[in-house]
Amino acid sequence: GESVGLHLPTLSVQEGDNSIINCAYSNSASDYFIWYKQESGKGPQFIIDIRSNMDKRQGQRVTVLLNKTVKHLSLQIAATQPGDSAVYFCAETGFQKLVFGTGTRLLVSP
Amino acid sequence: GAVVSQHPSWVICKSGTSVKIECRSLDFQATTMFWYRQFPKQSLMLMATSNEGSKATYEQGVEKDKFLINHASLTLSTLTVTSAHPEDSSFYICSVPKILAGEDTQYFGPGTRLTVL
Repeated sequence: GESVGLHLPTLSVQEGDNSIINCAYSNSASDYFIWYKQESGKGPQFIIDIRSNMDKRQGQRVTVLLNKTVKHLSLQIAATQPGDSAVYFCAETGFQKLVFGTGTRLLVSP
Repeated sequence: GAVVSQHPSWVICKSGTSVKIECRSLDFQATTMFWYRQFPKQSLMLMATSNEGSKATYEQGVEKDKFLINHASLTLSTLTVTSAHPEDSSFYICSVPKILAGEDTQYFGPGTRLTVL
């Protein structure tokens, strides 16, 4: 069936390092992808999105890369800070319905 | 962005009782809202789509008679867990899609933690 999954369940980095969180998706028809950050006990928070007609999009300290050939999505966080510690989900959306990946926990050590 | 609120933020109830959770879109109107459930250390699973003025659309495997959804207005959707049991204990989150020029995403509420004793 259709699914969106992540390669790494937990990523540990040092403060100041760059972080890369990966995501694989299986529905080649997906045309819109979103990265969410979820802190413990809270709802997901929108980080950045990208449409399938793009391969890169940058925000503040974050960059999303999309490789449609291998159906791969990544989130890059520059100069990772302790406040970035959270679970990160990629999601694909078709007709407004979101399909979430399994999530990656990012742990940032000071 | 968008502001979405949920009430209550947490609730503890006895088995067999019903619990109502509210989801409000505070800064724009939404004809559609979504309800998700999230078990500990797991991803979000879509339960149903709440439609203003019509019946909710439930995902496969979600009991519509157990999870009653009412889209009361363009800014309010409610989820009622009827005859709750311990296995219904979970984190319930709503989202509101915002589709405007240049923006097409969903904004989530802070979630409601339900614990059924």
